[in-house]
Amino acid sequence: EVQLVQSGAEVKKPGESLKISCKGFGYSFTSHWIGWVRQMPGKGLEWMGMIYPDDSDTRYNPSFQGQVTMSADKSISTAYLQWSSLKASDTAMYYCARQLRYFGFDPWGQGTLVTVSS
Amino acid sequence: DIVMTQSPDSLAVSLGERATINCKSSQSVLYSSNNKNYLAWYQQKPGQPPKLLIYWASTRESGVPDRFSGSGSGTDFTLTISSLQAEDVAVYYCQQYYTTLYTFGQGTKLEIK
Repeated sequence: EVQLVQSGAEVKKPGESLKISCKGFGYSFTSHWIGWVRQMPGKGLEWMGMIYPDDSDTRYNPSFQGQVTMSADKSISTAYLQWSSLKASDTAMYYCARQLRYFGFDPWGQGTLVTVSS
Repeated sequence: DIVMTQSPDSLAVSLGERATINCKSSQSVLYSSNNKNYLAWYQQKPGQPPKLLIYWASTRESGVPDRFSGSGSGTDFTLTISSLQAEDVAVYYCQQYYTTLYTFGQGTKLEIK
């Protein structure tokens, strides 16, 4: 079964750093882009950017450029999303998803809830 | 950026009745080289991640019940649920993947009347 499994929920203080993960199972992890999607509380879906795990080529949504960093370790089929200095406004659910050029995003990870509060 | 606009924002339909959700893109998402619309629909149930329902505007993902159908081309698209079931309560999103600056509609919340 193709699946993406994300790391668990995090509670952080403003200014702290964070790295969350997304591990792929059941397919060739290096053959498809992995995208990250933010969903703020009670809001819709926002595409943040994507990474190609084979060579770590990365494309960011300009709205998120400079705010987060995406990386990948293809040896362990894992993609990462990290922040160097969290803000309260980073509080959200973050999803990873396999991006299929002709079919959309499938599957999605279960989501990682990030809460930033003093 | 391609802006995706859904209507309505919320919808209440009786069990067994038809539900229709519309999605409009600010520019065409029809790829001329293969005559495919790069438009997907997702279903997000409470507490769950989104699930791909339809791609290429009208092709159902494997395992999706045939009461779900997609239509439209160019800039105007529709998701139809022919006979609403209780398990269809969810928020539905359209998404364009024509450009790699992927964008979603704001979502339509579907409830039982």
